[in-house]
Amino acid sequence: AQKVTQAQTEISVVEKEDVTLDCVYETRDTTYYLFWYKQPPSGELVFLIRRNSFDEQNEISGRYSWNFQKSTSSFNFTITASQVVDSAVYFCALENAGGTSYGKLTFGQGTILTVHP
Amino acid sequence: DADVTQTPRNRITKTGKRIMLECSQTKGHDRMYWYRQDPGLGLRLIYYSFDVKDINKGEISDGYSVSRQAQAKFSLSLESAIPNQTALYFCATSAGILGNQPQHFGDGTRLSIL
Repeated sequence: AQKVTQAQTEISVVEKEDVTLDCVYETRDTTYYLFWYKQPPSGELVFLIRRNSFDEQNEISGRYSWNFQKSTSSFNFTITASQVVDSAVYFCALENAGGTSYGKLTFGQGTILTVHP
Repeated sequence: DADVTQTPRNRITKTGKRIMLECSQTKGHDRMYWYRQDPGLGLRLIYYSFDVKDINKGEISDGYSVSRQAQAKFSLSLESAIPNQTALYFCATSAGILGNQPQHFGDGTRLSIL
């Protein structure tokens, strides 16, 4: 069975602080995909990034960066110089490339990020 | 226009009623999914379909049924609604080619069962 754990239920920061959201996953498959989604207060789910298990390069997109470490089964998300508009619920998710979990996302519980002005 | 459209956006109904939530997409994706979101639990998969003739149960299918009427349409039914089915429901689609493309979500249906 696969599992995604986001240990931080809520994080509160002040604008311009850097913040890291943790994600730890469990899977028996050697090929899998990891995702981050953002859910702003308006409620929709916005895709942020997809990373496959063979690509351990870190990725940066503007103020967002992701650190994938297979050795610790982690896929952490960092927001640099946070802004009020970053306030949202963030979900980490895992999808296996084969087996009975093929094509199905397993989500973490979500982390509520609040950025105060 | 939204690529993945859910109707209705909000619904309040009573215990025992039959409810249908509808999802349509213009993305041309083969795969469609229904999830429910509860506070502190993330999103959990109810049913999914990889093409028109394919229906599969997800993690929490009891009390729900689905119909894939066409490639673009996937509806979720609650035959006899109960209060613990109060939740935010999402439909999603994905291309399913070249391995595990991202799922694209509708804006959600907020369902309250009294």
